[in-house]
Amino acid sequence: NAGVTQTPKFRILKIGQSMTLQCTQDMNHNYMYWYRQDPGMGLKLIYYSVGAGITDKGEVPNGYNVSRSTTEDFPLRLELAAPSQTSVYFCASSYGERGEKLFFGSGTQLSVL
Amino acid sequence: GDSVTQMEGPVTLSEEAFLTINCTYTATGYPSLFWYVQYPGEGLQLLLKATKADDKGSNKGFEATYRKETTSFHLEKGSVQVSDSAVYFCALRSGGATNKLIFGTGTLLAVQP
Repeated sequence: NAGVTQTPKFRILKIGQSMTLQCTQDMNHNYMYWYRQDPGMGLKLIYYSVGAGITDKGEVPNGYNVSRSTTEDFPLRLELAAPSQTSVYFCASSYGERGEKLFFGSGTQLSVL
Repeated sequence: GDSVTQMEGPVTLSEEAFLTINCTYTATGYPSLFWYVQYPGEGLQLLLKATKADDKGSNKGFEATYRKETTSFHLEKGSVQVSDSAVYFCALRSGGATNKLIFGTGTLLAVQP
C-alpha cells in the first residue's frame, strides 16, 4: 500500500550541482506530475506526463528535465542547481479522469546554497 | 488563464470555533473544484471535491458548495479541533485532457486548545 514514493526527503546542493529526484507509484496511474511549493506561493506545476514515453511542460519548467520510461517512475532532473530552485518538490499521480483526485508523495525538501 | 484566489492566513481559532476559508476562482467552462489538506511534514491529501454547480462536497465535518454565480467554493466547518491544524489548499481542474490542477496559495489553520 505504498502509493506515491519520493526520494530523497531532504537534500542540500551546491550551486551548479546536479541531482535527480525520484518518484515511483504502484497504483498503475497513467498521469504523473511534478509540483514545486514555495512559501506563500501555493503549488506550481513543473512537468507532467499522461503516460509512458509522453511528457510535457507545466508552468515553471525552466531548469528541469523529466523522463517517463515506465508507467511507475517519473524522475525529475536538475542539471545546474540554482538558489531559485530551493523549494519543496511534490510528485503526484492519478488515473487522469475528469474530477478525479491526485495522490501526492510526501515531498522532497531541496536547498541550493 | 484559470486561477484560484484564497484568503491569506494564518487563521488562528480556538477549539470548537466555526471555520470559514474563502476561495474564489476564475475559469473558462465548468471546472471541477477541490480542497486539499496538508498536515505538517506530509504531502497533500484530497479533503473534498465538487464537480458541478450547486454540488456540495463534504468530508470529516468539512463542507464546501460550488457556487457558480459567485465563482466561489468556500470551506466551512462547524466545530474545529486541534487535529484540524494544517494548510488548506483550494484548487480547480483546468480544462483539457491533462487533469492538471491549479492551486491557490494555501491557508494555514492553527487551532488552539
